[in-house]
Formats: sequence, structure tokens, C-alpha cells
Amino acid sequence: QSALTQPRSVSGSPGQSVTISCTGTSSDVGGYTYVSWYQQHPGKAPKLMIYDVSKRPSGVPDRFSGSKSGNTASLTISGLQAEDEADYYCCSYAGSYTVIFGGGTKLAVL
Amino acid sequence: QVQLVQSGSELKTPGASVKVSCQASGYTFISYPIHWVRQAPGQGLEWMGWINTNTGDPTYAQGFTGRFVFSLDTSVSTAYLQISSLKADDTAVYYCAKGYGSGPRFDSWGQGTLVTVSS
Repeated sequence: QSALTQPRSVSGSPGQSVTISCTGTSSDVGGYTYVSWYQQHPGKAPKLMIYDVSKRPSGVPDRFSGSKSGNTASLTISGLQAEDEADYYCCSYAGSYTVIFGGGTKLAVL
Repeated sequence: QVQLVQSGSELKTPGASVKVSCQASGYTFISYPIHWVRQAPGQGLEWMGWINTNTGDPTYAQGFTGRFVFSLDTSVSTAYLQISSLKADDTAVYYCAKGYGSGPRFDSWGQGTLVTVSS
């Protein structure tokens, strides 16, 4: 089972919006409404930012939003801030009580 | 508040075994699954599997069968990851995470345990 496909890197300037894509198949991303997104700063544990495609845990700014179309999920960060610079990982349910992560995307805030 | 505290870094020689612990607090341990995630140096997150903290039943991802064992001690709200016959490419940070149902919603993570395998 291969990892979900994410761009290796994206970048944006403070205040701009960026979107990170996460492409899977009909057996994972496309087959369920169970996609999560994690933010990971260097040397730190991942942090849940989005779950169930588009829901935000309490405490996560509403600048972070998620969506899905077909086999591709997306994370959009609007009003970019310096502290958003981090690695981002998507994660999808893949059936039979298994999950799969994306390869990760490095976000640079220029 | 919910907290997962993992055991400290380990340095092991090839062929040895290691057992990583993950102690939970701030919630009812047996009500939520514990997942394990590996991150090799400079690499991405890799889901290893999960354990049903109510029944003790484990589910292992492809590539994590045989040498990897998930276990529990519910009396101390602790989950364990044991890896046997360690190889150099097992060198990684291992995270435990509190799950929600069977999906990919991991709302609390341990701080990670670095396991280094080197002769």
C-alpha cells in the first residue's frame, strides 16, 4: 500500500493562502469521509489540524480548512503566518481498520 | 488534560529487542484506541497499526508484522510497543497517539521515543 501523494513543498508569503493536495485512490481518500491533516514542527510531535475531511478541533484557527473532491483531499491555509511554517501530513482511512499517511509537504513562509 | 508520556530514548545493538511504553492520563484509557506511528530520520510519518484498549486486539500495518508487538497494561493505563530482532533501519522516532474510533483522527500524541540501532 503506497503512501498518499502530496507535493514535496509549497510556499507562500505572509497573509497569502496556500493549498496542499493529497491524492489517493477510491480505496482510501475517495472511499471515505475520514481524512485528517497533521502539522509537525521540527523535533515536535504531530498536531491534529483537521479531521473527518473538514472539521477543526477546538483551538485550531479557522484559517485552516479542509475539503475533498473525488480521490483528492486538500488543506487550505489562509492568512499565512510565520508560525505556519512546518511539515503537513494527510492521513486517510483505508478500510479494514487501517489508515495511511501521505508523504508529507514542507510549507515555507517566505 | 489528556497526556501521553513515552519512555526515553534507547540505544540498541542489531538483533536486540526494545520495549517502548506510552502512559496515558486525563481520560478513560480503555475507551479510545492507541495507534503507533514511526518516523525514520528525515522521513515522513508511517502508520504501524493500533491496539483496541478495551479488548487488547492489535491490528498491524503491512510491513509491521512478525517483529512488532503491541500490548497493554490497563491497570496503569499504558500501551507498549515491542520490537524484536532490531535492524539498523528500525532506527526512528516512535510515537503513540490516542485515536478516535477506527479512523485517522489522532487527537493527542506522545512526545516520541527515539530508538537507535547501531553496532
